[in-house]
Amino acid sequence: EDKVVQSPLSLVVHEGDTVTLNCSYEVTNFRSLLWYKQEKKAPTFLFMLTSSGIEKKSGRLSSILDKKELFSILNITATQTGDSAVYLCAVEALGHFGNEKLTFGTGTRLTIIP
Amino acid sequence: DGGITQSPKYLFRKEGQNVTLSCEQNLNHDAMYWYRQDPGQGLRLIYYSQIVNDFQKGDIAEGYSVSREKKESFPLTVTSAQKNPTAFYLCASTLTGDIQYFGAGTRLSVL
Repeated sequence: EDKVVQSPLSLVVHEGDTVTLNCSYEVTNFRSLLWYKQEKKAPTFLFMLTSSGIEKKSGRLSSILDKKELFSILNITATQTGDSAVYLCAVEALGHFGNEKLTFGTGTRLTIIP
Repeated sequence: DGGITQSPKYLFRKEGQNVTLSCEQNLNHDAMYWYRQDPGQGLRLIYYSQIVNDFQKGDIAEGYSVSREKKESFPLTVTSAQKNPTAFYLCASTLTGDIQYFGAGTRLSVL
């Protein structure tokens, strides 16, 4: 059974701090790893990672994938209160019938204190 | 405006009642998905459909049913067999090989 584990489950930091969120996975037929940010409703897409060692960056957010050790990290530097959200990691794999299937982790709840 | 529209935003179900959650997309996406989100848990796949008139069970399909009569629409029915339906339900869609985009969700509660 495919499994995605995120840590920590929750994190509280002060504005300006740097945070690192972790995602480890065990899946068959890995295709990609995705990070989403969920504030109140729909998750919004952050990054898709398919290759090991290549950092993806968007402003203060960056992410990298290690396909040998089966994990990814999401870094947020100089955090702001608007970064408060649940961050979801999902792994896309090829299913038994050739379909693509996403397995989500439980998420990391990040709270930024002003 | 392109996107995925879920309705209603909030829904209340009485004991023994079936309720249907709507999901419509105008993105011309082939595949559509229903997820359930409970507090402290990740999104869990209920059903998915890759083409019209075809759908497959996800990890937690018991107590739910779907239909895919049109490409744009993928309604989810929560039947009376689902004993713990209170959750946040998210619909998503995707073009093959692309990422999944999500609707705003429906919060279902039991009266």
